[in-house]
Parts: sequence; C-alpha cells; structure tokens
Amino acid sequence: EAQVTQNPRYLITVTGKKLTVTCSQNMNHEYMSWYRQDPGLGLRQIYYSMNVEVTDKGDVPEGYKVSRKEKRNFPLILESPSPNQTSLYFCATQLAGASADTQYFGPGTRLTVL
Amino acid sequence: AQKITQTQPGMFVQEKEAVTLDCTYDTSDQSYGLFWYKQPSSGEMIFLIYQGSYDEQNATEGRYSLNFQKARKSANLVISASQLGDSAMYFCAMREATGFQKLVFGTGTRLLVSP
Repeated sequence: EAQVTQNPRYLITVTGKKLTVTCSQNMNHEYMSWYRQDPGLGLRQIYYSMNVEVTDKGDVPEGYKVSRKEKRNFPLILESPSPNQTSLYFCATQLAGASADTQYFGPGTRLTVL
Repeated sequence: AQKITQTQPGMFVQEKEAVTLDCTYDTSDQSYGLFWYKQPSSGEMIFLIYQGSYDEQNATEGRYSLNFQKARKSANLVISASQLGDSAMYFCAMREATGFQKLVFGTGTRLLVSP
C-alpha cells in the first residue's frame, strides 16, 4: 500500500528541547516537502527536497532544518523549538516535477511547544 | 507572486443538495495546476480533484467537479448530492510550472452538511 508516514503523530515539548519529526514514503517519489498549517493561514511550505542531498527553503524555513540522506526519508528538525512553532505539520511527496503531479500528504504531526 | 483566495470561511448545506466552494487565484504563469484537498476533523489531507491550466474540459471526479473559468481566474469546487461525510475543511491550492516544488494554499472553507 502506497504510504506516507510521519512520527510522532502528537508531541508536546518544551522550549529549547531539540526534536525531530520523521517522514517516510514507500512510493519512490523524488520530491518531498514539509508544510505547516496554522488557523487562518492555510498550509505554508517550510522546506522541500527534489532528490537525495538536494534541499531548499520554502516560504517559512526559519527555525527548521531538514536532511535527505535517503530517497524515502525526509526528517524535519527543530534544533531549539519555540512556542510559535506550535502547529500541525505535514510531510508531502510527489513523483516528479510536473505541475500536474499530485502531492500526497502524510497524516500530520500535531506539535505543541510550551 | 502566486496567490489563492478562498473568501468563504464557512458554508452550510443540507444533505443531498449541491454546494459550490469558491476559489480564485492569481498567477503570471501560463502553465499551472489547480488542486482541491479535503481535510476532515481527523486532520489528514485528502486529494480530491485536479485541473490543468490548458485543460479545456472541467475536471470531474465522482460527485466533485471543478468549475474552471480561466479568464476570471476562478476554480470553484462543486459538490453534488452532499453527504454528512462531506463535512470538512476544503482547501484550494495551485502549483505553477515554474514553481513546481511548491503548492500554494488558500485559507480554506469549512463545510458543514446538515441532515
């Protein structure tokens, strides 16, 4: 079954405690992306990766890091989380670069930073 | 810069009725794609329908259809014969061919279907 998985699904943490949200896909998609969803703002792209070792900033990259060492995995790293990073996070994958290619989303990770 | 506008924060519809969710977009690209996603209360994002800028026919997927008016830059989602399970947030999104790495989303419309 084609899947995008994220872990953890829910996380409550404290300011400054480093955390990693994992994303894994089994569809052999080249392109992966992270979004955050906030009320009234829709989804905004944080980072994306077009292939292994190729990553770039999206619209709201401050406070986040990513890596793409393997095609299937694209972890999101918060080195020093702050309360304004409390949000719902989605990983998404896409086969390639055509504008018609659908993005498939993971189930989401709800993060609360106290 | 590309932009998506959804002007309806919330919509109500009775079961079995049709409903239209509005979406307008702004882009300078000639080639782009328009998407609609559904987000139920459980939180996942479910792809519903896609329309390409060069597609001459309006896209349809089951009870979902996309009313694409290119000159007006609108891509409204029409849900026919609404069901209680259609109650959810609906997001319109766009991808430009030159910015294929990013989907730009609207702020969403919350649809409530009543019995």
